[in-house]
Amino acid sequence: GQQLNQSPQSMFIQEGEDVSMNCTSSSIFNTWLWYKQDPGEGPVLLIALYKAGELTSNGRLTAQFGITRKDSFLNISASIPSDVGIYFCANAGGTSYGKLTFGQGTILTVHP
Amino acid sequence: DARVTQTPRDKVTEMGQEVTMRCQPILGHNTVFWYRQTMMQGLELLAYFRNRAPLDDSGMPKDRFSAEMPDATLATLKIQPSEPRDSAVYFCASARGVGFPEAFFGQGTRLTVV
Repeated sequence: GQQLNQSPQSMFIQEGEDVSMNCTSSSIFNTWLWYKQDPGEGPVLLIALYKAGELTSNGRLTAQFGITRKDSFLNISASIPSDVGIYFCANAGGTSYGKLTFGQGTILTVHP
Repeated sequence: DARVTQTPRDKVTEMGQEVTMRCQPILGHNTVFWYRQTMMQGLELLAYFRNRAPLDDSGMPKDRFSAEMPDATLATLKIQPSEPRDSAVYFCASARGVGFPEAFFGQGTRLTVV
């Protein structure tokens, strides 16, 4: 089955630093989604990307749909303590439209 | 305030007992997913439904797990008999349907089988 490789697995940063994480796949996809999960909660949708090359922002978050349609990047600028959590990439496969597969997640820790 | 509602939030049960988890999808969403989250495996898709019909349940252990949608406002995931290895957080998510892949998650059911 399809696999999403998300990196890094974890990050420890200082408040105020910028963060970058990415997700790659061996298959081409139509949609990339980025979620954040706080402890004890379900994942919450942050950004959705629909076209190759698309660059979308949501506050301090910026995500890009790779030109090859096999990767995506999420950047967080000027991190704050509440950015702590697990960030997941996900996509809806081309052959099973609507079936979301998730990456393994990036655990972000922000030191004040 | 539209949201996916899952019950119970926490469940502790003894091995061999039946467990039923319930999910109320967002009104108007016709696609429902069941995911299981563990430290080792991450978020695994167990099954998903569209218009109450199961589209894919290949991620679900068939001998003990079953998923149904008795009506458009209720999805259930049942484990019978439960085993300690079933301990995990189970999430339900719903989406509007084809052309709208964004899924919205409930708060999850934390299952502990002792």
